[in-house]
Amino acid sequence: DGGITQSPKYLFRKEGQNVTLSCEQNLNHDAMYWYRQDPGQGLRLIYYSQIVNDFQKGDIAEGYSVSREKKESFPLTVTSAQKNPTAFYLCASSAWGDTEAFFGQGTRLTVV
Amino acid sequence: GEDVEQSLFLSVREGDSSVINCTYTDSSSTYLYWYKQEPGAGLQLLTYIFSNMDMKQDQRLTVLLNKKDKHLSLRIADTQTGDSAIYFCAESIGGNNDMRFGAGTRLTVKP
Repeated sequence: DGGITQSPKYLFRKEGQNVTLSCEQNLNHDAMYWYRQDPGQGLRLIYYSQIVNDFQKGDIAEGYSVSREKKESFPLTVTSAQKNPTAFYLCASSAWGDTEAFFGQGTRLTVV
Repeated sequence: GEDVEQSLFLSVREGDSSVINCTYTDSSSTYLYWYKQEPGAGLQLLTYIFSNMDMKQDQRLTVLLNKKDKHLSLRIADTQTGDSAIYFCAESIGGNNDMRFGAGTRLTVKP
């Protein structure tokens, strides 16, 4: 089945640690995105990538890093520089120029 | 305003119509979207409308667009308990990398 998969579903991190969230898609989509969702707020774009080996900062990139070494994969690292990392993180992908973005199931990150 | 605005909560009875409203920010926005998020899940695109349209109907869903007021609404006819979810309004000018989302409206359908 084609789709976009995020793992893990739940993630706990100690303060000061980096953590990497996985996002994989087998839809052959060129573009991939990471969003952050906080209660009572809309989704905010962290990073996006329109092609392999290239990515751009979104609205709230500080404290995050990404890589796009393969078309299928777009991992997000939440670094210790991110001051308030507890949130629900959503990954999405789309075909180039397409209006529809497909979302993963999300990863809920909690800092303990 | 700076943000895409939606009411946070809406409660309806099963079988009634639901109307979820949204005010978006940019009169240049080309695409207006409605996404549905069920508990613990990602977002699912329900429907979208181009800015040169006033209305779009898709089975139980009707989208109305008032460009002058930058107002978008989603009407769900014959609302069912399975429609209970959070509904996000979003706008974009050209691509998925410039989408702006509202905070979401939590729809609760009572039997």
